[in-house]
Amino acid sequence: QLQLQESGPGLVKPSETLSLTCTVSGGSISNNNYYWGWIRQPPGKGLEWLGNIYYSGNTYYNPSLKSRVTISVDTSKNQFSLRLTSVTAADTAVYYCARRPRHSSGWASFDYWGQGTLLTVSS
Amino acid sequence: AIQMTQSPSSLSASVGDRVTITCRASQDIRNDLGWYQQKPGKAPNLLIYFASSLQSGVPSRFSGSGSGTDFTLTISSLQPEDFATYYCLQDYNFPLTFGGGTKVEIK
Repeated sequence: QLQLQESGPGLVKPSETLSLTCTVSGGSISNNNYYWGWIRQPPGKGLEWLGNIYYSGNTYYNPSLKSRVTISVDTSKNQFSLRLTSVTAADTAVYYCARRPRHSSGWASFDYWGQGTLLTVSS
Repeated sequence: AIQMTQSPSSLSASVGDRVTITCRASQDIRNDLGWYQQKPGKAPNLLIYFASSLQSGVPSRFSGSGSGTDFTLTISSLQPEDFATYYCLQDYNFPLTFGGGTKVEIK
């Protein structure tokens, strides 16, 4: 059974850099039939896609985050990571990692998600 | 970016009711749309992908339809465990975008 688990500091100060890691178990992150993504949800609000990465390192980012976001992959650890710079209170959210599968007819919606980790930006 | 307009934002319904939620895309997204159910404190759960394909393990009372710009999620007979918030997601192109959500409450 595939499992994704987010890990991170829980609390970050304004202007600092947020770093989160998603550990994938029960399957290989190097499988070329999957993208891996990050999605966040501010408290009481909707979902926002942040970016995707392929095992080869190809990335796609949400332009709303401008140049603040970087996603990387470590195939040796079966992990991928999110880095968000210059955080503000607006970045307070539950952060999810998720898998996006490829079907014969194309790339489908995220099917496996981590449980989410709350990240609070506060001094 | 493609805008996804979801309606209604909330609804009240009774167990056994037929419930319909719609999503409209700001441009043609073919059938590249998914539907999710989210319960408080939990991650979203995929119900439907490619607009009408039922995700494995999801009850058959959930169905999806539509293509192009207009999409519908239908729950044929609402069950107590279906009270939750539902989101659509367009994955036609980047940036991927979600609808604003529909909260289904008990009448």
